[in-house]
Amino acid sequence: GQQLNQSPQSMFIQEGEDVSMNCTSSSIFNTWLWYKQDPGEGPVLLIALYKAGELTSNGRLTAQFGITRKDSFLNISASIPSDVGIYFCAGQETSGSRLTFGEGTQLTVNP
Amino acid sequence: EAQVTQNPRYLITVTGKKLTVTCSQNMNHEYMSWYRQDPGLGLRQIYYSMNVEVTDKGDVPEGYKVSRKEKRNFPLILESPSPNQTSLYFCASSFAGTGGPYAGEKLFFGSGTQLSVL
Repeated sequence: GQQLNQSPQSMFIQEGEDVSMNCTSSSIFNTWLWYKQDPGEGPVLLIALYKAGELTSNGRLTAQFGITRKDSFLNISASIPSDVGIYFCAGQETSGSRLTFGEGTQLTVNP
Repeated sequence: EAQVTQNPRYLITVTGKKLTVTCSQNMNHEYMSWYRQDPGLGLRQIYYSMNVEVTDKGDVPEGYKVSRKEKRNFPLILESPSPNQTSLYFCASSFAGTGGPYAGEKLFFGSGTQLSVL
């Protein structure tokens, strides 16, 4: 199946700092998505990207669909304690309907 | 309230004892799917269903069964659980969209079922 590498695996930051994480794929994706999983809950969709080069924001979150269509980036500005959780990237193949998820980035925000 | 409901939330069982994890959604979604989450491996798809009576294997289907007799329900069945199936399981659903590549993209997840097989 498809391989998605997400980095970093974990981050420990101070409140107010900006955060960046990314995903790279071994092949081209048609759609990139970013999900967040709060402790004890299921993932929730944050941002969906559909075009190469697309830059989309959702509040303090900004995600980009890489030009090569093999990567995507998520930035969080001015982090707050409720940003804590696991962030997953997910990609969808051009010809298929299944999502492939990255391994997740565990974010810890110290007040 | 729109939601995906999984039961039970926690389950401890022994090797070989058949179990079923239920999943129900109230959003009239065509697409439903089961994932398992393991540390360092992210979410891996077990089975998915594009609609009633239509199911297909995901990336890690061995040891699992599913059925989709009704649109709202998608139970996950472990006929003979083994310790390597100890994991956190998520059910998810979405609209199939216009079909083709956008099916199953904006997933709504349940709250998870933590399964331990001793």
